[in-house]
Amino acid sequence: GAVVSQHPSRVICKSGTSVKIECRSLDFQATTMFWYRQFPKQSLMLMATSNEGSKATYEQGVEKDKFLINHASLTLSTLTVTSAHPEDSSFYICSASVFGGWEEKLFFGSGTQLSVL
Amino acid sequence: KQEVTQIPAALSVPEGENLVLNCSFTDSAIYNLQWFRQDPGKGLTSLLLIQSSQREQTSGRLNASLDKSSGRSTLYIAASQPGDSATYLCAAVISGSRLTFGEGTQLTVNP
Repeated sequence: GAVVSQHPSRVICKSGTSVKIECRSLDFQATTMFWYRQFPKQSLMLMATSNEGSKATYEQGVEKDKFLINHASLTLSTLTVTSAHPEDSSFYICSASVFGGWEEKLFFGSGTQLSVL
Repeated sequence: KQEVTQIPAALSVPEGENLVLNCSFTDSAIYNLQWFRQDPGKGLTSLLLIQSSQREQTSGRLNASLDKSSGRSTLYIAASQPGDSATYLCAAVISGSRLTFGEGTQLTVNP
C-alpha cells in the first residue's frame, strides 16, 4: 500500500525554538494533506488542511501564525511549530489523501512526538 | 458539529474472547465511517472503512457495522489475540477527507 513518511519521529526542544516536521508521500502524489494533533489520552484533532500550491485552511482555534504549513509539492508538506512552548507538546500526525479508482483513500504518517522543555 | 464518542474507554480481556467496541456519532449525514488501530506513539493503521450506503464490512477477524439512523457503529473482534492490543479509533467523515475522531478504546488482550 501507499506509504507516508513523517520525520522526525521524536523531537525535544527548548521553549522558544521552532520545530519543523516533514510529511512525504513516498510512492504517490497526494491531492491533499492533513495535520492532526493528539494530546495524551485525547482524540486526534484536525489542525489544518493543505493543498499543493495554496494556503492551508486552519481549523477554528488553531493559530496559523504559530503553526506554519507549507505544501510546496504534491509529495511534501511541512508543519513548523514556531516559538514552541511547553503547551505545544503533543503528538503530531499527518495524513495524505489520494484518489484510487472511485474512492478517496487516506494514509497516515507514523507521527511526531514533540516535547518542549 | 459532528461529535464522535467511543465506549468503553478501556477494555481488558483474556485471549480468545470475542469483543465489541462501540462508536456513536451525532450527525448522521456522514460520508463514511472508518476504524483505525493506533499503537503507542505511532501512526494509524486503517482497519475498515464503511461507506454511508453500506451496513457492514469484514476483514479477517474484524467486522464493522454501521447504523446511520441511530448514529452507531460497532467493531467486532473475533478470537482476540495479544497482538490485537492497541487503541482503536473510529472516525466519521462528513465531507472530503476531514475526519472527526473519537477518543478511542484502549484494548488489552491478556495471554
